[in-house]
Amino acid sequence: RKEVEQDPGPFNVPEGATVAFNCTYSNSASQSFFWYRQDCRKEPKLLMSVYSSGNEDGRFTAQLNRASQYISLLIRDSKLSDSATYLCVVNTNTGGFKTIFGAGTRLFVKA
Amino acid sequence: SQTIHQWPATLVQPVGSPLSLECTVEGTSNPNLYWYRQAAGRGLQLLFYSVGIGQISSEVPQNLSASRPQDRQFILSSKKLLLSDSGFYLCASRDITNEKLFFGSGTQLSVL
Repeated sequence: RKEVEQDPGPFNVPEGATVAFNCTYSNSASQSFFWYRQDCRKEPKLLMSVYSSGNEDGRFTAQLNRASQYISLLIRDSKLSDSATYLCVVNTNTGGFKTIFGAGTRLFVKA
Repeated sequence: SQTIHQWPATLVQPVGSPLSLECTVEGTSNPNLYWYRQAAGRGLQLLFYSVGIGQISSEVPQNLSASRPQDRQFILSSKKLLLSDSGFYLCASRDITNEKLFFGSGTQLSVL
């Protein structure tokens, strides 16, 4: 089983749609969680951190469920510029943070 | 915040040739450093990470090696490249007070 698993993509949505990404992780000792965004052939960039209490940044909302080992990202009112790959990221402290990325979910937002 | 310098941006190498990719970090000290590889259309695979000078942890058996000769320098090497070594290589850094990763701009390696 992969350490971090994400929805297979791609997601094709019209502008203005709400889209949800899901992610599960296998190591219950994992300590911190993030969503990154990656544009084609570019380095990933941090989108937001994920907390059990939920985290909202404008149109983006992230949520962590530690009991289920499940992470989500919700994008409301999708824009064309949201088209990218969204990566779920999990940190585990093994004497240094080991950071594992999910395979990513590709999002295409169309006019 | 940190700045990660990674070069070159693009590299084409013949099978069997050696490889050396260098990554340097500014704006922090004693960072955790990482090398990732991303095959076309795939996710990021963690290759190596380091918590300090001379300390390297390898995540997968492979044709590559890593070294950390200085606090803010991380090098990825190979003695003889294979076709399967092609991919997008990313260096990343995290300082000890911040759980977030900062990435270099990546090296697209094509082994022909």
